[in-house]
Amino acid sequence: QVQLVESGGGVVQPGRSLRLSCAASGFTFRSFSMHWVRQAPGKGLEWLTFISYDGSDRHYADSVKGRFTVSRDNSKKMLYLQMNSLRPEDTAIYYCAKDGDPYYWYMDVWGKGTALTVSS
Amino acid sequence: EILLTQYPSTLSLSPGERATLSCRASQTVRGSLAWYQQRRGQPPRLLIDGASNRASGIPARFSGSGSGTDFTLTISSLEPEDFAVYYCQVRSDSPPPITFGGGTRVEIK
Repeated sequence: QVQLVESGGGVVQPGRSLRLSCAASGFTFRSFSMHWVRQAPGKGLEWLTFISYDGSDRHYADSVKGRFTVSRDNSKKMLYLQMNSLRPEDTAIYYCAKDGDPYYWYMDVWGKGTALTVSS
Repeated sequence: EILLTQYPSTLSLSPGERATLSCRASQTVRGSLAWYQQRRGQPPRLLIDGASNRASGIPARFSGSGSGTDFTLTISSLEPEDFAVYYCQVRSDSPPPITFGGGTRVEIK
């Protein structure tokens, strides 16, 4: 079945870096764009970044632009989120999601998420 | 930037009742509105795309409607598993390209 599994979360000090990973299975990964979305404790959903199926098009939320970088390895069916200069407000559950439509950009499959805590 | 306002923020209803959730956009949406359900401790799940198309496996009691700036998610008869938080989401031509609403919590009365 279609599945996304995030990993790489944990506890990190402010200012440090971390890379999240998302392993995809059950669909033709190289044919679909992907998203990262996060959810701070007790808060709503915040879209972070989009990467097109071939990695040629990328978009970021202002809150992470210049600090976070999305990438993918289609040969390994992997999606990544490199996070630099982490701040306490980056504390959240991070979800990767499969794009469901190349025009409308809704998210039709979600992983269970990986939790990140930024604290000294 | 498109802002999405969901109301009410909390809806208190009993099982079997009808739920009507609203999502208002700050400017005209070009038909890309989606609805998601998030149960406690779980990731979001796509319910509706294109404002009114039920996603695969979504029960018929869920329906979406609306156009322009005003959209509605209706749950015709609440089942126990429907008590959750619901989010609307839209794609925009101007940054940021994706926006979520603040969510509506449907709780048991």
